[in-house]
Amino acid sequence: EVQLLESGGGLVQPGGSLRLSCVASGFTFSTYAMSWVRQAPGKGLEWVSGISTSGGGTYYADSVKGRFTISRDNSKNTLSLQMSSLRADDTAVYYCVKDYGGSLGWFDPWGQGTLVTVSS
Amino acid sequence: IQMTQSPSSLSASVGDRVTITCRASQSITNHLNWYQQKPGKAPKLLIYAASSLQSGVPSRFSGSGSGTDFSLTISSLQPEDFATYYCQQSHSTRGFGQGTKVEIQ
Repeated sequence: EVQLLESGGGLVQPGGSLRLSCVASGFTFSTYAMSWVRQAPGKGLEWVSGISTSGGGTYYADSVKGRFTISRDNSKNTLSLQMSSLRADDTAVYYCVKDYGGSLGWFDPWGQGTLVTVSS
Repeated sequence: IQMTQSPSSLSASVGDRVTITCRASQSITNHLNWYQQKPGKAPKLLIYAASSLQSGVPSRFSGSGSGTDFSLTISSLQPEDFATYYCQQSHSTRGFGQGTKVEIQ
């Protein structure tokens, strides 16, 4: 069974940093692109960042460019999102998703999500 | 690429035929996917590449369209279908529509 398990969420002050992790199992992690998608409370879905199979290609939404860094460790089946200069509007549930890559980029499956709250 | 869904919400009854539309600001060929999300749960893939039904998804769900105009149709609404639906383009990076909430009439 394909599983994605996120961790690392929590409460952080504005301007602070946080690192999210996602451990994948049940598929050959190194052969799939991956993405992070977030959802602010009561709001819709927002794609945040994506990464190619090797990690050589990284992509970001304009809202997080320059503040967030996506990375992966294929030896540990782990996807990460380093978030810095956090703002109140970064408060959201962050989902790790398996991304079918390129223009075939549908997301399946999704992790259960980890909540990030940015507040003083 | 901007994705615009309509309507933003709708009320329907069990057994109704429901159609949700999604319009892209430029052509995305068939690079359009649909998701269902229930409260407190992660989204679930329903349709990929505009019209391909994801494995395990009931056949009452169908997708159509190409270029800039797409639709998701539920042929006979069931109680478990009351949820929020999102379209997502994969033509240029990634992006979602704002969602359509399907409520019980």
